[in-house]
Amino acid sequence: QVQLQESGPGLVKPSETLSLTCNVSGGSLSQYYWTWIRQSPEKGLEYIGYIYYSGSTNYNRSLRDRVTISLDRSKTQFSLRLGSVSAEDSAVYFCARYQPQPDAFDVWGHGIKVTVSS
Amino acid sequence: DVQLTQSPSFLSASVGDRVTITCRTTRDISFYLAWYQQKPGKAPSLLISAASRLQSGVPSRFSGSGSGTEFTLTISSLQPEDFATYYCQQLNVFPITFGQGTRLDIK
Repeated sequence: QVQLQESGPGLVKPSETLSLTCNVSGGSLSQYYWTWIRQSPEKGLEYIGYIYYSGSTNYNRSLRDRVTISLDRSKTQFSLRLGSVSAEDSAVYFCARYQPQPDAFDVWGHGIKVTVSS
Repeated sequence: DVQLTQSPSFLSASVGDRVTITCRTTRDISFYLAWYQQKPGKAPSLLISAASRLQSGVPSRFSGSGSGTEFTLTISSLQPEDFATYYCQQLNVFPITFGQGTRLDIK
């Protein structure tokens, strides 16, 4: 059974870069899309982007200038970097797996709360 | 971006009730819609994909229907564990977007 677990700092200073990692256990990265989603009271659930196992990416245009998602096949991990953060980026960040069948996000991590504050 | 509007935003119901949640989209998304359940402090959990396909392990009291711009999630007989927040999600157009959620509380 595939499990996902987010890790990273829970506090980031304004203007700095938020970096999170999602560890994938119990399965392979192959043939899936690996995504990041965040949730805040103000914006609700917000899609950040995905990386396919081949390395291709898609980012939400609202964040495209600041976001990078990368993959480490050797460690079965994928990562999120979000630059120039502000208080608006404070949220619970989830990693999740998307697959075309069932065409949905079928496995989620538990989520990690990130606060942007000095 | 495709906007998703769920109604109602809040719903109070009793165990055994039948409830329906509606999700309307600002453009035709065919059947590329999923429903998720989220409990406090937890990640969303997939209930239904492709508008009406029940995810393995999800009780049959959950059902989904619709296509185009209007979709519904129905719970035929509420159980205590069903009190949660429900979200719809469209996967037809990037960026993928979610509804604002429907919080289902015990009456």
